[in-house]
Amino acid sequence: NAGVMQNPRHLVRRRGQEARLRCSPMKGHSHVYWYRQLPEEGLKFMVYLQKENIIDESGMPKERFSAEFPKEGPSILRIQQVVRGDSAAYFCASSRGEGDTEAFFGQGTRLTVV
Amino acid sequence: QKEVEQNSGPLSVPEGAIASLNCTYSDRVSQSFFWYRQYSGKSPELIMSIYSNGDKEDGRFTAQLNKASQYVSLLIRDSQPSDSATYLCAVNLVTGGGNKLTFGTGTQLKVEL
Repeated sequence: NAGVMQNPRHLVRRRGQEARLRCSPMKGHSHVYWYRQLPEEGLKFMVYLQKENIIDESGMPKERFSAEFPKEGPSILRIQQVVRGDSAAYFCASSRGEGDTEAFFGQGTRLTVV
Repeated sequence: QKEVEQNSGPLSVPEGAIASLNCTYSDRVSQSFFWYRQYSGKSPELIMSIYSNGDKEDGRFTAQLNKASQYVSLLIRDSQPSDSATYLCAVNLVTGGGNKLTFGTGTQLKVEL
């Protein structure tokens, strides 16, 4: 029973490039969360999605950041025109949703912008 | 006021002692509460879930919830050096569109030999 899978584990991008982070939820889970974590800081909520629907994107920066969770395939967090301040660990978590709110995390993607 | 508050620590306890970690939350409507453990450089790991007032025990861990006081705690009995980590309190906040799992900044626990 595979857990939450994130890829890539490490991603290096030059300033101005695009970063695409992928998250495949656990089997049977239809809800996905994305969080950002800076070194020595807490988890900052970004967005909460279910398949084909964004439930809550109150933590997403208004520009350059977008997220989707299509009917088929992984959830994608997309960062356009990356800047050095985007360097962080990005974690995805999944849950069954609909009253079952236990969420399990993937191993994260460490994004470095150079 | 932060939605979920924890003391950042570090909290230092000797091996074999009880470690007590505390968390308060602001939203009275919250129904689900979680404790995660995060080792340095790793992802958070779910260790306890609690949904109703009172205590819930799982091995050396006990979660305590008091909704009237908007307070949730985690006790770790017989603390081991391997328990040294950051412990994150998480609360499921009900928003207009659904639920939002919100984390405190975490309490760093150090178990000393």
